[in-house]
Amino acid sequence: DAGITQSPRYKITETGRQVTLMCHQTWSHSYMFWYRQDLGHGLRLIYYSAAADITDKGEVPDGYVVSRSKTENFPLTLESATRSQTSVYFCASNNPGQGANEQFFGPGTRLTVL
Amino acid sequence: GQSLEQPSEVTAVEGAIVQINCTYQTSGFYGLSWYQQHDGGAPTFLSYNALDGLEETGRFSSFLSRSDSYGYLLLQELQMKDSASYFCAPSSGGSYIPTFGRGTSLIVHP
Repeated sequence: DAGITQSPRYKITETGRQVTLMCHQTWSHSYMFWYRQDLGHGLRLIYYSAAADITDKGEVPDGYVVSRSKTENFPLTLESATRSQTSVYFCASNNPGQGANEQFFGPGTRLTVL
Repeated sequence: GQSLEQPSEVTAVEGAIVQINCTYQTSGFYGLSWYQQHDGGAPTFLSYNALDGLEETGRFSSFLSRSDSYGYLLLQELQMKDSASYFCAPSSGGSYIPTFGRGTSLIVHP
C-alpha cells in the first residue's frame, strides 16, 4: 500500500535492551524524520535524513541511532533503552521546499520501557 | 534564539468561531504550517503560509504576519470532530524543517 508505515505499532521492552523502530515510505520522499511526543512537550525532532546515507541530529538525539541505506526506509534504534524513552514515536517524510512543505506522518509507535 | 508560543487550551461551543494564535521567533523564517492531531492519532497537515495574509481552506483559514512574527488558525462553524490538538510549526529557510510547539488543545462543547 502507498503511504508511510511504522512497525511495530506497540512495543514493551525492558531497560537496557536494544529496540529498533521501523519506518517505510512509498512516495520516494527525499526527507525523513523521527519525532517523539510526550505530554507537555509536543513533538520533538530526534533525527532527520535528507537522502540515503545522509542523517543529522535534531533537538533530542541522545540515546538514539539512525541509518538510511535506502530512500524508503529510516529505522530508529534505541541502543540501550531507558525509562525516559517511553514515548510515542512518529516517523514523517516529505520533499521540503516544495509548495506547502507538508510533512506526512506515519501512525506512530507507542513504546513503553519498563 | 528560537521560541514558539500558542495557548495550551481553548474551549468553544459547536457552531462557533475560534482563533488559535501563534507567535514565533525563528531564525531565517520561511513559512508557518498548521497541523491537527486527534487523540491517539498522527498529526495531519492543515495549512501553510509563506506570505503575509489569509489562506482559506473550507472551514479553516490561516493567517500570517511576517513583520509581527505572528500567525493564527481560524476555525469556523465548529463541529465536535474539531476537538483535537493544533500545532503551529514555523520553518526556516535553511532546512525547511518545521519546529513543533506544545500545541493547543481545542475542546468543542455541544
